[in-house]
Amino acid sequence: EVQLVESGGGLIQPGGSLRLSCAASGFTVSSNYMSWVRQAPGKGLEWVSIIYSGGSTYYADSVKGRFTISRDNSKNTLYLQMNSLRAEDTAVYYCARDLTNGGALGYWGQGTLVTVSS
Amino acid sequence: SYVLTQPPSVSVAPGKTARITCGGNNIGSKSVHWYQQKPGQAPVLVVYDDSDRPSGIPERFSGSNSGNTATLTISRVEAGDEADYYCQVWDSSSDHRVFGGGTKLTVL
Repeated sequence: EVQLVESGGGLIQPGGSLRLSCAASGFTVSSNYMSWVRQAPGKGLEWVSIIYSGGSTYYADSVKGRFTISRDNSKNTLYLQMNSLRAEDTAVYYCARDLTNGGALGYWGQGTLVTVSS
Repeated sequence: SYVLTQPPSVSVAPGKTARITCGGNNIGSKSVHWYQQKPGQAPVLVVYDDSDRPSGIPERFSGSNSGNTATLTISRVEAGDEADYYCQVWDSSSDHRVFGGGTKLTVL
């Protein structure tokens, strides 16, 4: 059974850094397209970043240069390093796996809340 | 960047058919995916590649895509279908995943 469990969220001051983790089970992270998607309170879904099985990474314009997606194959875990955090980064962050490496996000974690506030 | 436009809300009576649209420039040339999200829960994929259903999703959920509009159709709507629905595509020109703004489905 595919499972994704996010952790690492919390309250952080503007300008601070945070690293989110997404522990996967039931499949191999490095063989799949893995994304981070966020949802600000009361708002819609916003795609944040993706790492392909080959290792290529892409970012939404809103986070490019501040966030870094990575994975640890030995731990079968996905990460999102978030630097220079802003109030507008406040959101629930979900990790998600492509259903068939074809663009549809078929598996989602339960999300972790990041609150950027002084 | 590629933009997807959804109506903010759609209302439907139980047992009727709900149609939620997703507009985008030449969206018919892309594969469209649809998600259902209930309050406090993670999104769930209900239709992928325009019209395919993941295992476990009822046949009442179907999709179509042509020209500048993709449509999610929910037949014989039930109270439990009340949720937010999002369309999504893969914009290959930027390698970005793009979501629509979401549509709140209300079952009257």
